[in-house]
Amino acid sequence: DTGVSQNPRHKITKRGQNVTFRCDPISEHNRLYWYRQTLGQGPEFLTYFQNEAQLEKSRLLSDRFSAERPKGSFSTLEIQRTEQGDSAMYLCASSLRILTEAFFGQGTRLTVV
Amino acid sequence: KQEVTQIPAALSVPEGENLVLNCSFTDSAIYNLQWFRQDPGKGLTSLLLIQSSQREQTSGRLNASLDKSSGRSTLYIAASQPGDSATYLCAVETSGSRLTFGEGTQLTVNP
Repeated sequence: DTGVSQNPRHKITKRGQNVTFRCDPISEHNRLYWYRQTLGQGPEFLTYFQNEAQLEKSRLLSDRFSAERPKGSFSTLEIQRTEQGDSAMYLCASSLRILTEAFFGQGTRLTVV
Repeated sequence: KQEVTQIPAALSVPEGENLVLNCSFTDSAIYNLQWFRQDPGKGLTSLLLIQSSQREQTSGRLNASLDKSSGRSTLYIAASQPGDSATYLCAVETSGSRLTFGEGTQLTVNP
């Protein structure tokens, strides 16, 4: 097992475009999380899934953001009509079950120009 | 609302020193606390997880302690090496669904 995998690693997009990121969690981990991190700050929670069910969303997740986890495997995070303020590192994490260690991927660095 | 603070924000030490990083949190009703390491432009690497019922965890040169009642945790790094240079983040889990992170301590170990 190679850990949590995120693609792409870097994405540069023009303001107003849509972007989609993918996260492949550690196999058999049924909990998957998305976080956003801006420079010099700690990661901030966006949303989490238990299997295919999206159980919680942060108020940071505006209606331009949508996340899915079909069949409880990989997950995608889509941002529509990107804004410069969306520029950040988007981190995905997974854990085996509640209250166990969370493992993070390498992140996707989004730059909106 | 849970808030996590890490002190100091930055630390520079000579190689070989023992050092302590501090983390405090405002709501003591936590399930666990996790320490992470982050290299520039990279993701997070889990270092240690302390459950709320535990007082400390050790892994190699790292030792993390937890005092839940006072809302504090420390990460002790023994015999620091240049390869330890990174940002260290602590995070607490209070709801069973999310981690709340501090802003991190940027550590530089000078050869």
